[in-house]
Amino acid sequence: QLQLQESGPGLVKPSETLSLTCTVSGGSTSSRSYCWGWIRQPPGKGLEWIGCIYNAGSTFYDPSLKSRVTISVDTSNNQFSLKVRSVTAADTAVYYCARWVGGFEYLDYWGQGTLVTVSS
Amino acid sequence: QSVLTQPPSVSAAPGQKVTISCSGSSSNIGDNYVSWYQQLPGTAPKLLIYENHKRPSGIPDRFSGSKSGTSATLGITGLQTGDEADYYCGTWDDSLSAGVFGGGTKLTVL
Repeated sequence: QLQLQESGPGLVKPSETLSLTCTVSGGSTSSRSYCWGWIRQPPGKGLEWIGCIYNAGSTFYDPSLKSRVTISVDTSNNQFSLKVRSVTAADTAVYYCARWVGGFEYLDYWGQGTLVTVSS
Repeated sequence: QSVLTQPPSVSAAPGQKVTISCSGSSSNIGDNYVSWYQQLPGTAPKLLIYENHKRPSGIPDRFSGSKSGTSATLGITGLQTGDEADYYCGTWDDSLSAGVFGGGTKLTVL
């Protein structure tokens, strides 16, 4: 059974960089069939698709976040990561990592989520 | 403002049936598979329906999905209080080259 677990700081100061890591167990980030992704959910609001990365290095980002976001994969440690630069209070959210099945367009496995608050 | 449009809320009595709509365009629903997710309070979303109408293992057949043109529908029959949750539709948008979600629908079982 595939499992994903987010980790990283729960508090980030405005203008700094938010960094999160997702550790995958029970499966491999080396698989070419899946896009390893990040989704966020501001408090009391809906889901926002941030982006995802295939093992071959292809990345896809939401256009509204593309200039501030980088997703990378570390197959040797079976992890993938998210960086959001120049954060503001609007980036406060629960961040989920998940596996996107490309071509069929769905997220089949999700992490439990981690709350990141942007505040000084 | 979400790319996909869902009603903010729906409600029905236990045992009844409810449908949740998801409206998009030719660049997303019209050209790609639709998925649905259930988010129980305080938990991560869970895949409910994929490829428009398929159910993952463990999802009861009370849940169904369909798609027509640029719209999709989630149906839930035999409503239970445990079905109270937020439901989201999702797909890929060819114009954005990104995944997109609906704004979510809160289901209340009265």
